[in-house]
Amino acid sequence: NAGVTQTPKFQVLKTGQSMTLQCAQDMNHNSMYWYRQDPGMGLRLIYYSASEGTTDKGEVPNGYNVSRLNKREFSLRLESAAPSQTSVYFCASGATSGKNNEQFFGPGTRLTVL
Amino acid sequence: GESVGLHLPTLSVQEGDNSIINCAYSNSASDYFIWYKQESGKGPQFIIDIRSNMDKRQGQRVTVLLNKTVKHLSLQIAATQPGDSAVYFCAEPWPPGYSSASKIIFGSGTRLSIRP
Repeated sequence: NAGVTQTPKFQVLKTGQSMTLQCAQDMNHNSMYWYRQDPGMGLRLIYYSASEGTTDKGEVPNGYNVSRLNKREFSLRLESAAPSQTSVYFCASGATSGKNNEQFFGPGTRLTVL
Repeated sequence: GESVGLHLPTLSVQEGDNSIINCAYSNSASDYFIWYKQESGKGPQFIIDIRSNMDKRQGQRVTVLLNKTVKHLSLQIAATQPGDSAVYFCAEPWPPGYSSASKIIFGSGTRLSIRP
């Protein structure tokens, strides 16, 4: 049981390049999330998916798109990377969409945009 | 706007002492809170949660206290160890009090460092 896995672990992009961050969970969770964490700050929600086939914007969705490919996988795409998107990106999954919303986090992807 | 925040960005304690990390919230409808621990280079990890029908909840070496009158909660770590060094976040589902809330909002975090 690997939990939540993310690829890649590190990435350097030039301004304007595009890339997709991959996330997969093997806990049969309905909900999945993408966060970004800037140095010395808390996590900010980019997008989330409460169930397979649905996605919703979080606090900071601009510049990103997501795809809930199936119940296991939730990808985050940067179409035209900007230096302001330099951050650590965390994917998470949770068992329910109710109050018992314990989320399990992946190890993160460290992205630098030059 | 979102509700939870934290009082101090950093906290330094002597190894073996107790640590107290504070968090405040502003929305009276908030009824469920979660504490996460984030070690360096890792994703956050669930520690303990508490509902508003409780004032106190205990786990292994950790206790969370909730004071609804002043909208304040705290995480207490007993006999702090070097492995407790991390950033600690309080968080709540959003919108608060909504049984189908499907996202969590995190506070800004407190970095706990341990002096030998």
